[in-house]
Amino acid sequence: EPEVTQTPSHQVTQMGQEVILRCVPISNHLYFYWYRQILGQKVEFLVSFYNNEISEKSEIFDDQFSVERPDGSNFTLKIRSTKLEDSAMYFCASGGQGQIIYGYTFGSGTRLTVV
Amino acid sequence: RKEVEQDPGPFNVPEGATVAFNCTYSNSASQSFFWYRQDCRKEPKLLMSVYSSGNEDGRFTAQLNRASQYISLLIRDSKLSDSATYLCVFLNAGGTSYGKLTFGQGTILTVHP
Repeated sequence: EPEVTQTPSHQVTQMGQEVILRCVPISNHLYFYWYRQILGQKVEFLVSFYNNEISEKSEIFDDQFSVERPDGSNFTLKIRSTKLEDSAMYFCASGGQGQIIYGYTFGSGTRLTVV
Repeated sequence: RKEVEQDPGPFNVPEGATVAFNCTYSNSASQSFFWYRQDCRKEPKLLMSVYSSGNEDGRFTAQLNRASQYISLLIRDSKLSDSATYLCVFLNAGGTSYGKLTFGQGTILTVHP
């Protein structure tokens, strides 16, 4: 079964540093997403990406965040200057054309710890 | 009113029990509904979609009531492996939305021997 792959599985970074979280979506999918889950809290939408641009973003996704699909296979989330409150699990997801109404597949996540 | 509200739980049930979870949503434009399960520190995994006519997948039955803005999940003959957090999720697609999922807080289920 096709998978969404995320790397690294765990990243520890110092406050103020930049981090890039990487995702390889399922190959023929067109819609890409990032979500996060702070420990003990619900899964929250960050951003959706379609046709090489952001299609929707949440209030959480401020100027410190950016996304990119640099080479047609990877989909990255960059946090420019991390804060303690950015510590969370970050999940990438992708969906196929005409299929997102049936739900989509999440990667196994990157646990980001900001110290 | 929260976008998605779930039974607070936790639910602790013996193997073989039947357990039901409920969820209400406030956005009447919501298009698709799902139950996901999430194991501790893992990604959410799609358990089943929820249709207006009700749908069943083995021991799992889901119901949607659009008029009352309510969905439910029934698990029959609970197994130890059903222990997880069950997430009520809805999707808006179309217009300016490209498939954003909105998650509930989740209901923790523990099935014990």
